[in-house]
Amino acid sequence: DAGVTQSPTHLIKTRGQQVTLRCSPKSGHDTVSWYQQALGQGPQFIFQYYEEEERQRGNFPDRFSGHQFPNYSSELNVNALLLGDSALYLCASTFTGTSQPQHFGDGTRLSIL
Amino acid sequence: AQSVTQLDSHVSVSEGTPVLLRCNYSSSYSPSLFWYVQHPNKGLQLLLKYTSAATLVKGINGFEAEFKKSETSFHLTKPSAHMSDAAEYFCVVSDPRRGYSTLTFGKGTMLLVSP
Repeated sequence: DAGVTQSPTHLIKTRGQQVTLRCSPKSGHDTVSWYQQALGQGPQFIFQYYEEEERQRGNFPDRFSGHQFPNYSSELNVNALLLGDSALYLCASTFTGTSQPQHFGDGTRLSIL
Repeated sequence: AQSVTQLDSHVSVSEGTPVLLRCNYSSSYSPSLFWYVQHPNKGLQLLLKYTSAATLVKGINGFEAEFKKSETSFHLTKPSAHMSDAAEYFCVVSDPRRGYSTLTFGKGTMLLVSP
């Protein structure tokens, strides 16, 4: 039973560029959440997708957007990259309507030069 | 609003000695509380969760935590540390009225285990 998988594992971009990160949820899960973890900090909630729609959003600018596909996989897009966007981006999945906690992937390490 | 304060950024113990990682929470409702562990260059693994059942919660790898409402605390303990326990630990609170979606993390406690 595959857990949450994220790709790529590492990515290097320059300021102003755009990036897309991908996530496949754990089998049986229908809800995907994205978190940003800056170096030395705890993860911060970016947004959550359910039924292909953004259901909740944290305190992140519109440069951060996402998508969920019919197979429940998800993408995180970040436009106009800033140096401060350098972080580990974590995807988590769960099944809405149950008491299951979120399962996390290993993350994508994004470095902005 | 909800928040979590992890009282120690680093905790150092010797192998075989007890572990105590401290966490205080703030919430205007009865929260769900979790402890997650993160090994280097890895994602987060759930250690245990509290969801208003028993106040003493047992998790994986010998860890347990006690929910104390009067002290708004949810400290993580383990009787005997192992070298493999060295990692970063996060205390997390969520609003159960909205499912587990809105997770609020503490800043983390790095556990160092020496031989």
